[in-house]
Amino acid sequence: KAGVTQTPRYLIKTRGQQVTLSCSPISGHRSVSWYQQTPGQGLQFLFEYFSETQRNKGNFPGRFSGRQFSNSRSEMNVSTLELGDSALYLCASSFTGTNTGELFFGEGSRLTVL
Amino acid sequence: QKEVEQNSGPLSVPEGAIASLNCTYSDRGSQSFFWYRQYSGKSPELIMSIYSNGDKEDGRFTAQLNKASQYVSLLIRDSQPSDSATYLCALVGGSYIPTFGRGTSLIVHP
Repeated sequence: KAGVTQTPRYLIKTRGQQVTLSCSPISGHRSVSWYQQTPGQGLQFLFEYFSETQRNKGNFPGRFSGRQFSNSRSEMNVSTLELGDSALYLCASSFTGTNTGELFFGEGSRLTVL
Repeated sequence: QKEVEQNSGPLSVPEGAIASLNCTYSDRGSQSFFWYRQYSGKSPELIMSIYSNGDKEDGRFTAQLNKASQYVSLLIRDSQPSDSATYLCALVGGSYIPTFGRGTSLIVHP
């Protein structure tokens, strides 16, 4: 059974640019949630999509957005990048959603903002 | 105010010993509790979930939950060098949003 796939794995951007990250969940999983992981703040919840609908959103500015397609693949977008957006962005797949907490993480996309 | 507290460590134990990892939380409405293991440079991996007070055992791992005292712990018996990783405590409350602790670094030395 294929795991959660995230692309790209690494990327470097400059301040003010935007970035789009992609996540393909485990087959049959309808929930995709996104997280930002930094040494200072740890792992923080960004948002969850379930069957193409945003079900929950964390405390991040509107520059962070996402969407989910009918095949459950999800994308997150960060606009007007800031230096502080440098982080590992993880997506997680779940059959029932974040409410169960049983999440399967992808390998992450490491974003560096210069 | 931090919602999930973990000692950052590192916690160093000899091979074969019991490693005890602890986590306290502030949200009394928390219903589900999890331990994730994260190797350096890798993504978190779910190793234990616990939903009711008491102990839950899975192989060398035992999760313990005490909702009255608002703590959850993870015991690793017969610790191996391959257990060296950061262990993240996570919980889900009424908001259905997972909240993670910052993790405890465990080092198992031969």
